[in-house]
Amino acid sequence: QQPVQSPQAVILREGEDAVINCSSSKALYSVHWYRQKHGEAPVFLMILLKGGEQKGHEKISASFNEKKQQSSLYLTASQLSYSGTYFCGSTQGGSEKLVFGKGTKLTVNP
Amino acid sequence: DSGVTQTPKHLITATGQRVTLRCSPRSGDLSVYWYQQSLDQGLQFLIQYYNGEERAKGNILERFSAQQFPDLHSELNLSSLELGDSALYFCASSVAFRQSGYTFGSGTRLTVV
Repeated sequence: QQPVQSPQAVILREGEDAVINCSSSKALYSVHWYRQKHGEAPVFLMILLKGGEQKGHEKISASFNEKKQQSSLYLTASQLSYSGTYFCGSTQGGSEKLVFGKGTKLTVNP
Repeated sequence: DSGVTQTPKHLITATGQRVTLRCSPRSGDLSVYWYQQSLDQGLQFLIQYYNGEERAKGNILERFSAQQFPDLHSELNLSSLELGDSALYFCASSVAFRQSGYTFGSGTRLTVV
């Protein structure tokens, strides 16, 4: 079951904030967030696990609402380097398949 | 360099042909995943291996097959290629499954002409 991301695209000016949402119709075990720049590989940002554990290695924040089966990625004080397509991926129940949403294209302008 | 090595980087082949894409995971990672990314499409999950065993399968075509070898490298075999198979094929690896982030390779761009 492919998670649904919103918005599909967002344009910001440097310094502005953005929120990207990811939702599923099925119970989630984990949510992953990745950023992909044009012509490059996706880069891992964060993983949120059922039960509240979060693991990430960049200065970003995210939330995971298990009851609503939703996750949100918070980008604050955006920089030009934040531009790219953000993908959320989810695993469900006993499945090990990480299924990605269609992505949210973020453009940060000077 | 992410530590995940994919070869070749580019591949141009004719319809009906067969190709093999190779992936070496990051040192210490036991899980390998294959994804297909077409123009205007997201990342489509193909298949996952963990320590040599198939763990999960996506909507992988019967013309496609994969395996993970004892040294943990993996190969994705695509046969009877069609124009629609043209895409970027990514390999990713992780230490474990479900509780670890994935490290993606730089991908193999396959063009079928």
